[in-house]
Amino acid sequence: NAGVMQNPRHLVRRRGQEARLRCSPMKGHSHVYWYRQLPEEGLKFMVYLQKENIIDESGMPKERFSAEFPKEGPSILRIQQVVRGDSAAYFCASSPTPGQEIMNTEAFFGQGTRLTVV
Amino acid sequence: RKEVEQDPGPFNVPEGATVAFNCTYSNSASQSFFWYRQDCRKEPKLLMSVYSSGNEDGRFTAQLNRASQYISLLIRDSKLSDSATYLCVVLPPGGFKTIFGAGTRLFVKA
Repeated sequence: NAGVMQNPRHLVRRRGQEARLRCSPMKGHSHVYWYRQLPEEGLKFMVYLQKENIIDESGMPKERFSAEFPKEGPSILRIQQVVRGDSAAYFCASSPTPGQEIMNTEAFFGQGTRLTVV
Repeated sequence: RKEVEQDPGPFNVPEGATVAFNCTYSNSASQSFFWYRQDCRKEPKLLMSVYSSGNEDGRFTAQLNRASQYISLLIRDSKLSDSATYLCVVLPPGGFKTIFGAGTRLFVKA
């Protein structure tokens, strides 16, 4: 039973390009969460999605960032016109149901995508 | 004030030492509390949940003080493999917008 799968693991983009980060949740999970970790900082909640719905995007910058979780396929976090400040590790997590129980699952996080903007 | 604050670190301790990390949180209505461990350039992994009565898992003991809005993690008999960053995590009302502290880095030396 594969855990949360993220790809690519490493992504390098030039300023102004687009970055697309993918997250395949654990089998049977329909809830996905994205977090960003800047260097030397903790993880920051970005967005919570269910299949075909954005439930809460209060942690996501209003410009250039978007997320989706289609009926089929992985969840996508898209960053348009990347800037150096977008360089960070982006982690995805999934759960079968929302709420408190997600934090008690050992395989909660994917391995992350490290975005470097040059 | 940050929503979750941790000891700044880093902590440099010899093998076998006992080390304690502290964490405070600002939202008194927070529901659940956890300690996560993060190795360099890897994903965070759940170390243990923190219960009101306190809980222990081998060499690790976690305590919660709701009145003072304070969480602690005690590591006894430190091992080299304990070297990592320890993240204090708080689940506020609402249930999914988890709040992570910035982490405390621990280095255990031979």
